[in-house]
Amino acid sequence: DAMVIQNPRYQVTQFGKPVTLSCSQTLNHNVMYWYQQKSSQAPKLLFHYYDKDFNNEADTPDNFQSRRPNTSFCFLDIRSPGLGDAAMYLCATSLPRRSYEQYFGPGTRLTVT
Amino acid sequence: AQSVTQLGSHVSVSEGALVLLRCNYSSSVPPYLFWYVQYPNQGLQLLLKYTTGATLVKGINGFEAEFKKSETSFHLTKPSAHMSDAAEYFCAVRPTDSWGKLQFGAGTQVVVTP
Repeated sequence: DAMVIQNPRYQVTQFGKPVTLSCSQTLNHNVMYWYQQKSSQAPKLLFHYYDKDFNNEADTPDNFQSRRPNTSFCFLDIRSPGLGDAAMYLCATSLPRRSYEQYFGPGTRLTVT
Repeated sequence: AQSVTQLGSHVSVSEGALVLLRCNYSSSVPPYLFWYVQYPNQGLQLLLKYTTGATLVKGINGFEAEFKKSETSFHLTKPSAHMSDAAEYFCAVRPTDSWGKLQFGAGTQVVVTP
């Protein structure tokens, strides 16, 4: 089945230690998104890619970076995680039409110790 | 600018009872409308969406929603709640006339009691 896969599902990192979260998709969608979701809150968009074109949200901290080496894969790099970065990180994909829904992966729960 | 309001952060329903989750949007042009469900420690799953055409939209798991332009609403309903419906539900909108990000409501946590 076509899907969005996120690895790992649970990640523990230390304060200030760089961490990378990964997302892959078999849907062949042009657009990929990274969201941060804190407890009992709605997902917050960090950035998205339209093919290779990177679009950063204005309020996304510089501590968060992303790479998309090809259509299938996208990575979220947190350069120096702080305690406030502990959250669920969701990857999503969509076709490049405004009416098209976003397909979400299962998420990676990040803990910062 | 568009916004989404979900009335009630927590809703408790009895098994077998009607589920009604309210969503109102604020937008100068009716947007595309979505309902997503999120189970604990999972991603979001699309329940249904409205783009054009019939204003009563049927989704998965017995849910449906009706787009009412005059009321700027897109309320989600299910006639008979099941224990497996316990989850968080998000209403979301996206503009039709420009490229814009998905704007989520704050979410409604549904608890189903036996």
